[in-house]
Amino acid sequence: DGGITQSPKYLFRKEGQNVTLSCEQNLNHDAMYWYRQDPGQGLRLIYYSQIVNDFQKGDIAEGYSVSREKKESFPLTVTSAQKNPTAFYLCASTLGDSRRNEQFFGPGTRLTVL
Amino acid sequence: AQKITQTQPGMFVQEKEAVTLDCTYDTSDQSYGLFWYKQPSSGEMIFLIYQGSYDEQNATEGRYSLNFQKARKSANLVISASQLGDSAMYFCAMREDTGNQFYFGTGTSLTVIP
Repeated sequence: DGGITQSPKYLFRKEGQNVTLSCEQNLNHDAMYWYRQDPGQGLRLIYYSQIVNDFQKGDIAEGYSVSREKKESFPLTVTSAQKNPTAFYLCASTLGDSRRNEQFFGPGTRLTVL
Repeated sequence: AQKITQTQPGMFVQEKEAVTLDCTYDTSDQSYGLFWYKQPSSGEMIFLIYQGSYDEQNATEGRYSLNFQKARKSANLVISASQLGDSAMYFCAMREDTGNQFYFGTGTSLTVIP
């Protein structure tokens, strides 16, 4: 079955540590996205990538980094520079640049900083 | 300015009744797409329905329909015959033809009462 996988589902981190969230898709989608969601809030865009080896900052990119070395993979690193990283992180992908193409989402990763 | 506005933080509906969730949007593009997603307590985002700016008819998908009023820039989601499983957060989103970002509203929490 095609879809998006995110791992791990729950992640605990000590303050000052970097941590990498995995996102893999086998939908052959071109564009991939990372969102952050805080309790009771909407989705805020962190980074997105339209093609391999290219990505753009979203609204809240500070303290985060990404890479897109393969079409199917878009890992997100939460660095120690991110002051309040505890949140729910969602990865998404979409087929192309047509306005008709909806986003498909992974199951999410809940990150907690201890 | 907010691209997507959802003014109802929480809604209640009796089981088997219909409910309308409001969404207004702001864009200067002529070509855009509008999406609704459901987010149950588990966290995954489930695509429900799509409406294109040039679509002449309102979109329908099973019990979901979209009341699209282009002149008012509104795209309200109508859920007919509500079920207990409809209790979730609902997000409205937009994608403009001129970009690859999706803009999400802050969501509406729907509770279906038995």
